[in-house]
Amino acid sequence: EADIYQTPRYLVIGTGKKITLECSQTMGHDKMYWYQQDPGMELHLIHYSYGVNSTEKGDLSSESTVSRIRTEHFPLTLESARPSHTSQYLCASSRRDRDTGELFFGEGSRLTVL
Amino acid sequence: GQNIDQPTEMTATEGAIVQINCTYQTSGFNGLFWYQQHAGEAPTFLSYNVLDGLEEKGRFSSFLSRSKGYSYLLLKELQMKDSASYLCAVMDSNYQLIWGAGTKLIIKP
Repeated sequence: EADIYQTPRYLVIGTGKKITLECSQTMGHDKMYWYQQDPGMELHLIHYSYGVNSTEKGDLSSESTVSRIRTEHFPLTLESARPSHTSQYLCASSRRDRDTGELFFGEGSRLTVL
Repeated sequence: GQNIDQPTEMTATEGAIVQINCTYQTSGFNGLFWYQQHAGEAPTFLSYNVLDGLEEKGRFSSFLSRSKGYSYLLLKELQMKDSASYLCAVMDSNYQLIWGAGTKLIIKP
């Protein structure tokens, strides 16, 4: 059973709105990630974090921001949503070990921007 | 550039065996991972290979050849619940995961 939670699961908003996607995990994992995934396509890394007060940009980071004030919480913010942001957003976490690629994913937030 | 290739879709019969291939070209290698993703759900971890050879875990096995940049996931005694997408991912020299687009596996009765 997953111990990583995302809200909202589904969201429909208008262009230009600011939105925050929430992600929390109860496993005490240091590393957390945000991915974007379109149907039938590969996962694209948006942001990641090695721990509290650590945030790094991935491939698709330019239009969003993240924060990591607490170990368990890693929210993603889109300052001004556009139709091109319509996608599935997946949050994940893993242990601190450098070589672990075993990620635990949340159930995803499906965003539609009109 | 970095690249992961896997077939887009495969079809197999319930009870049979299927092999899903993955080839990769990455800057460095720190392990290869297979994930299962049912439609509309999040990926779940299946297996990890860092040394050449076969890793077996129940009905699922994963093989790696680092010299060939090649891996496969072998699923035996297929069940209807195995219908899903199977994602291949490689950890590069920066310990970042590079993901393939996934192989959609359709199981027929």
